[in-house]
Amino acid sequence: GENVEQHPSTLSVQEGDSAVIKCTYSDSASNYFPWYKQELGKGPQLIIDIRSNVGEKKDQRIAVTLNKTAKHFSLHITETQPEDSAVYFCAASTTSGSRLTFGEGTQLTVNP
Amino acid sequence: GAVVSQHPSRVICKSGTSVKIECRSLDFQATTMFWYRQFPKQSLMLMATSNEGSKATYEQGVEKDKFLINHASLTLSTLTVTSAHPEDSSFYICSASGGAAGYEQFFGPGTRLTVL
Repeated sequence: GENVEQHPSTLSVQEGDSAVIKCTYSDSASNYFPWYKQELGKGPQLIIDIRSNVGEKKDQRIAVTLNKTAKHFSLHITETQPEDSAVYFCAASTTSGSRLTFGEGTQLTVNP
Repeated sequence: GAVVSQHPSRVICKSGTSVKIECRSLDFQATTMFWYRQFPKQSLMLMATSNEGSKATYEQGVEKDKFLINHASLTLSTLTVTSAHPEDSSFYICSASGGAAGYEQFFGPGTRLTVL
């Protein structure tokens, strides 16, 4: 089955700096890669996703890049703010709407 | 995005009792709902996938007789933890996809279950 690895497990940045979180996946059939933000005691919130037919997608301060050959994808957050502090999860699935395999999560802390 | 609710948000029960958790898609019809559990500082672990009107598909190692899932309508799925024990204490989260939500999975706010 699919295996998703996520790095780093913790990331601390200064407000205004950029943050990058990387994930690798094992199943070359995976074609959908969402990123979720989870605040303490809450459910995950979808922040951006990418499908395998594109290499990059951007939404304001958030961007995701995908390298299908290397089987890795990354989340980029620019101009970080304290409210970006949360746990971020990457995930992968082989078909849209089917089960997701999650990475282990990254605790992002943005220091004011 | 689409809205998914869960009820209750927090429940405390005695060992041996059963607890029901509801998951509702509020503004779309969810053809598929997923149930996850999450332990502190860990990732989400998929327990089961349910499609409206059919039996749930459980992940390996998840006891289907202990975690009863019912997906009776396109907007409601329930998870019943039967004969709960302290080791069942966890954060249970549902997600929904399908219909107007398309292929994305939208998550509920989670239910904190504590079994004494």
